[in-house]
Amino acid sequence: RKEVEQDPGPFNVPEGATVAFNCTYSNSASQSFFWYRQDCRKEPKLLMSVYSSGNEDGRFTAQLNRASQYISLLIRDSKLSDSATYLCVVLGNEKLTFGTGTRLTIIP
Amino acid sequence: GAVVSQHPSRVICKSGTSVKIECRSLDFQATTMFWYRQFPKQSLMLMATSNEGSKATYEQGVEKDKFLINHASLTLSTLTVTSAHPEDSSFYICSAGTFAGGNEQFFGPGTRLTVL
Repeated sequence: RKEVEQDPGPFNVPEGATVAFNCTYSNSASQSFFWYRQDCRKEPKLLMSVYSSGNEDGRFTAQLNRASQYISLLIRDSKLSDSATYLCVVLGNEKLTFGTGTRLTIIP
Repeated sequence: GAVVSQHPSRVICKSGTSVKIECRSLDFQATTMFWYRQFPKQSLMLMATSNEGSKATYEQGVEKDKFLINHASLTLSTLTVTSAHPEDSSFYICSAGTFAGGNEQFFGPGTRLTVL
């Protein structure tokens, strides 16, 4: 089983739609959780950290369920500029483990 | 956020040559830097953790004699791919930061290596 699993997609959604990504992780001792965004042929960039209480940053909402070892990302009112690969990232033992990413394309 | 640079951004070389990639933290001191590799349509895979002034810690399956890491200062780590082969062609990315406080890692822009 992979340490961090994501649905690779691709997700093709119309502009303005709401899209949700899910991620599961296998190490129950993992300490911190993040969503990164990676554009084609670029480095990953931190989108947001994920907390058990849930956190929101503008159109983006992230949620963590430690009991289920499950992380989610919700994007509301999607924009064309949201097209990218979204990486679920888990910190444990002072190392980041990346999911394979979910590719999102927003269609005009 | 902090800035991490990598050089070169792209390199094409012949099989058998060695390639050195530099990773610099431009506005902060990084006692630890990380080297990742990403093959097409795959996730970033941690290769090694580079510690300033000491030997790097390699992940399982990564050959330390093939991927030489030097972290001679608090702002510079280098990765040398020795005797590169076509299967070493990949996107190499470094990162720096701490896992304290905000837990944020700052990534370099990556180096795309193509071995002919």
